[in-house]
Amino acid sequence: GNSVTQMEGPVTLSEEAFLTINCTYTATGYPSLFWYVQYPGEGLQLLLKATKADDKGSNKGFEATYRKETTSFHLEKGSVQVSDSAVYFCALIKAAGNKLTFGGGTRVLVKP
Amino acid sequence: DTAVSQTPKYLVTQMGNDKSIKCEQNLGHDTMYWYKQDSKKFLKIMFSYNNKELIINETVPNRFSPKSPDKAHLNLHINSLELGDSAVYFCASKDPNTDTQYFGPGTRLTVL
Repeated sequence: GNSVTQMEGPVTLSEEAFLTINCTYTATGYPSLFWYVQYPGEGLQLLLKATKADDKGSNKGFEATYRKETTSFHLEKGSVQVSDSAVYFCALIKAAGNKLTFGGGTRVLVKP
Repeated sequence: DTAVSQTPKYLVTQMGNDKSIKCEQNLGHDTMYWYKQDSKKFLKIMFSYNNKELIINETVPNRFSPKSPDKAHLNLHINSLELGDSAVYFCASKDPNTDTQYFGPGTRLTVL
């Protein structure tokens, strides 16, 4: 079956530090890949996505590139802010599928 | 304006009671979901409906029963509540054009 593995947190950083959250997946075919973010006390919201190999998703200074050869979709941000403190979820969905498979989530805490 | 809404936001109840959580989306999506998020932020899909028909039913105790009166609503009824049901429950709907899921703000259920 499909699965998503992401690094366990918490990840604690200082403001303006570089952030990387690793995500690897197992799936047949060509899934779409997503990063969702959950701010404290809120629901999940889409951060970025990529639908095919070598696509780069980007939003709010975050980027992730769909790497089929390494089955990875690592999330990066060059300079984090305190407001980036949240839980980040990597996820995939098979083409024409209905079920989103989530990783376990990575909590990020950015300190001033 | 709220795309996916849930009520109530907080629910505190005694073991053995029966409770319902309501979800409504105004995005015009056909597919809706219920997820359970535990205290470690792990997300587990419970059910999915497409245009009022059940399409995903994960391994969930039959004390949980979803009901979709129309494609804009997906409610979750829980019978005989147990301590282990304490969690945050999220409703979501899916855009069929992008596979992006839109989440509600969550309902925090506490069973005492």
